[in-house]
Amino acid sequence: QQPVQSPQAVILREGEDAVINCSSSKALYSVHWYRQKHGEAPVFLMILLKGGEQKGHEKISASFNEKKQQSSLYLTASQLSYSGTYFCGTPIKVEGGSNYKLTFGKGTLLTVNP
Amino acid sequence: NAGVTQTPKFRILKIGQSMTLQCAQDMNHNYMYWYRQDPGMGLKLIYYSVGAGITDKGEVPNGYNVSRSTTEDFPLRLELAAPSQTSVYFCASSLREGTYEQYFGPGTRLTVT
Repeated sequence: QQPVQSPQAVILREGEDAVINCSSSKALYSVHWYRQKHGEAPVFLMILLKGGEQKGHEKISASFNEKKQQSSLYLTASQLSYSGTYFCGTPIKVEGGSNYKLTFGKGTLLTVNP
Repeated sequence: NAGVTQTPKFRILKIGQSMTLQCAQDMNHNYMYWYRQDPGMGLKLIYYSVGAGITDKGEVPNGYNVSRSTTEDFPLRLELAAPSQTSVYFCASSLREGTYEQYFGPGTRLTVT
């Protein structure tokens, strides 16, 4: 049930672009994106709620393809501050209940070098 | 607002010892969560709570217990610590579930030897 992220790691030079993908075998109705810098807590980036929705945060944007059960995070003109591990999270319904819990992918380690 | 706070930041336990990881939030969030993070494995949900007095198991609850007597506090208890519980523990909270962002505390790095 854990969403699958790809690639596992990517190394960029400052100014280059990157795409991180998140896919699920289960139907998705929303996708969360978080960034975690080394030794720190995860920090929320954005939530995509509808199929086809796109959002942006600084030069980081994301898309959500509900039919394909996947989301992509786009990092444009990367900066040194973008370095960190990016996680996607997808809400999964709790068995036998009405609540949803967020299930995270294993993360994508992004390193931006000067 | 302090947000989500956790204590302690670091702790070393001997096998078989017990301890409580403290978590508090001042945002009046109903939902609170405990995750553990092992290298390369992402975040695994241990327990969560949808409000004071209501808790439920997550993905990896064995060896842990929780309680939620107030909206603000959500302590995690480790009984009979084992080396497999060496990890970084994060507490988080959200206003509601699913489509609402989670706010994470700074984490507790626990080593069991």
